[in-house]
This record gives sequence, C-alpha cells and structure tokens, in this order.
Amino acid sequence: QLVLTQSPSASASLGASVKLTCTLSSGHSSYAIAWHQQQPEKGPRYLMKLNSDGSHSKGDGIPDRFSGSSSGAERYLTISSLQSEDEADYYCQTWGTGIHWVFGGGTKLTVL
Amino acid sequence: QITLKESGPTLVKPTQTLTLTCTFSGFSLSTSGVGVGWIRQPPGKALEWLALIYWDDDKRYSPSLKSRLTITKDTSKNQVVLTMTNMDPVDTATYYCAHSEYSSSDFDYWGQGTLVTVSS
Repeated sequence: QLVLTQSPSASASLGASVKLTCTLSSGHSSYAIAWHQQQPEKGPRYLMKLNSDGSHSKGDGIPDRFSGSSSGAERYLTISSLQSEDEADYYCQTWGTGIHWVFGGGTKLTVL
Repeated sequence: QITLKESGPTLVKPTQTLTLTCTFSGFSLSTSGVGVGWIRQPPGKALEWLALIYWDDDKRYSPSLKSRLTITKDTSKNQVVLTMTNMDPVDTATYYCAHSEYSSSDFDYWGQGTLVTVSS
C-alpha cells in the first residue's frame, strides 16, 4: 500500500535551516513526490516535484531557499534562511496506479 | 497566469447531495495533457484527494469515495463540477480544486478553497 509518512511537527529558529522528511512506504522507494506549503488560513501552494535521484523542479516563484533531496525511500525538503512566513504546514504528495493521488499527514513547521 | 476558484454551498444537510464548481482561467481543459482535480481538508486535518478529470474526459476517483462522487467538465465555460451524494457531518471540510498535468501528476496550481459544513 502506497503511504507517505511525515513527522507531525518541526521547529527551527529564524534565519536557520530546517530539513523536513517524507518517507515512502516499502516497495515504493523509486516514486517521485511533490511538496506543498500551506500557510495558516490559506490554500496549499505547490513548491516542487522531487524525483528519486534528488533532481527537482520548482513551482513558479518559489525562492532558492527551498530545495529538495532524496535518499532511498526518504524525500527531503530543506528550507534555508528561515523567515517568519515559512511557518506553515508542509505536505508531500505522490501518485500511483489504482491508488492515484496520496498525501502525507503533513508537518507543522514552527519558526522560533 | 493560472487561477482556480471553487464555489458552492457553505452548508448542506445530512443525506443531501453537494455540488461544487471549479472555475478556472489561464489554461484550457481541451488542451492535451491537462487535468483538474478535487482535494478536501477537514478542519485541522490533512489533505485528501477526491477526484480528477483529464482533457480527454478520463476520470479518476478515490477508491474509498468512488460510489459517491461524480466529476464532469464544461470546456466552453472553463469549469469542472464535482458532485458528492449522501453527505454526512464527517464530510465537513474545505474543498479545493487544483490544476494538474498528465505528464507530471503534480497539483501545481490550487484554488483558495471553499468550506462546506454538513449539519442539520
């Protein structure tokens, strides 16, 4: 079964960097994912597509501070030079035949 | 510039049918490879994919909700409509529509969402 697992919460200080993790279920380590950001009281915003080899393509207007990387079944979103507006929920998303589109449970990022 | 906007009732009663409309601009659903999907988010919870329709009228549904969902498109009006039957309080959520491409399967542009409350 295709499942994405995310830690419920993360925190980091203003100006620092943070690395969020999305883990693909067993047997799905080759899958690409997408990262989405949801600021408080707003709709989601597409950040990037992240492939299993770590290559990624970002959405329109996404700052260079946002980057992605991969290792095995893990997909990472790194945000550097954290700003207050980065405080948000971050969701990973993937797709598979028959199951179609799947979202992770989301990680709530707090900027200290 | 791609934009999407959801519209529909804010309140529905249990057992009623919900009809939501996604009106979009900046792309056409007659263009090869284009799709529009629906995703929902109960208050304080995660995103859940519901349905998606492609330019060629190929339709995909969440296996767990397939029996209750219908997605259609009106290319001339730049609209996609989602109907969900037999609404229940657990269906209370913000409903989003989003643009997708067959080649990538990402949801790369999202609407602002519309909150639907199910209550008698």
